[in-house]
Amino acid sequence: KQEVTQIPAALSVPEGENLVLNCSFTDSAIYNLQWFRQDPGKGLTSLLLIQSSQREQTSGRLNASLDKSSGRSTLYIAASQPGDSATYLCAVGTSYGKLTFGQGTILTVHP
Amino acid sequence: EAGVAQSPRYKIIEKRQSVAFWCNPISGHATLYWYQQILGQGPKLLIQFQNNGVVDDSQLPKDRFSAERLKGVDSTLKIQPAKLEDSAVYLCASSLEPEGANTGELFFGEGSRLTVL
Repeated sequence: KQEVTQIPAALSVPEGENLVLNCSFTDSAIYNLQWFRQDPGKGLTSLLLIQSSQREQTSGRLNASLDKSSGRSTLYIAASQPGDSATYLCAVGTSYGKLTFGQGTILTVHP
Repeated sequence: EAGVAQSPRYKIIEKRQSVAFWCNPISGHATLYWYQQILGQGPKLLIQFQNNGVVDDSQLPKDRFSAERLKGVDSTLKIQPAKLEDSAVYLCASSLEPEGANTGELFFGEGSRLTVL
């Protein structure tokens, strides 16, 4: 059974810092890995999708890496802003679309 | 392009009552998912449809939860009778590609928040 763990559970940083969120999974036989953002009371917004054959994906100030063999992914956020404050969720996917989620990292970026 | 639509956004009911949630996926998306997100946890898959057939309902509490996707488009999720532990956000998601050939990107709705008193 796939289990996904995210560390840290919560993170508070001053504006402008670069930061790293960590995700680990127990079964390396994944199809893909997705990072999502969730604002309070809202649904999930997809940030980055990495296929199992890829090592990383980048979008603006976000960079996600994937190391299948070690069962780890990291989400790097450069030059953090208060608008980045949200919960960040990591999810690993099967070939037929099922996602298994971690519990999320609550990020607070203060001015 | 319109996103995944869900209703109602909020629902408060007494335990043992029933409730139904509705989802309209992105047009043309073959696969539809219902996830349950309890406060402080990540979402958990309840049921996955491919067109109007069920792909995975292994974590659906079938004694009280039911879901259908008539005509392979809209879907409803019903809870009857509700328990206190069913208080959660029910998220609907859809994806474009069929089973076994997808990039796997899911698009989520805003969710339906259920409070059971």
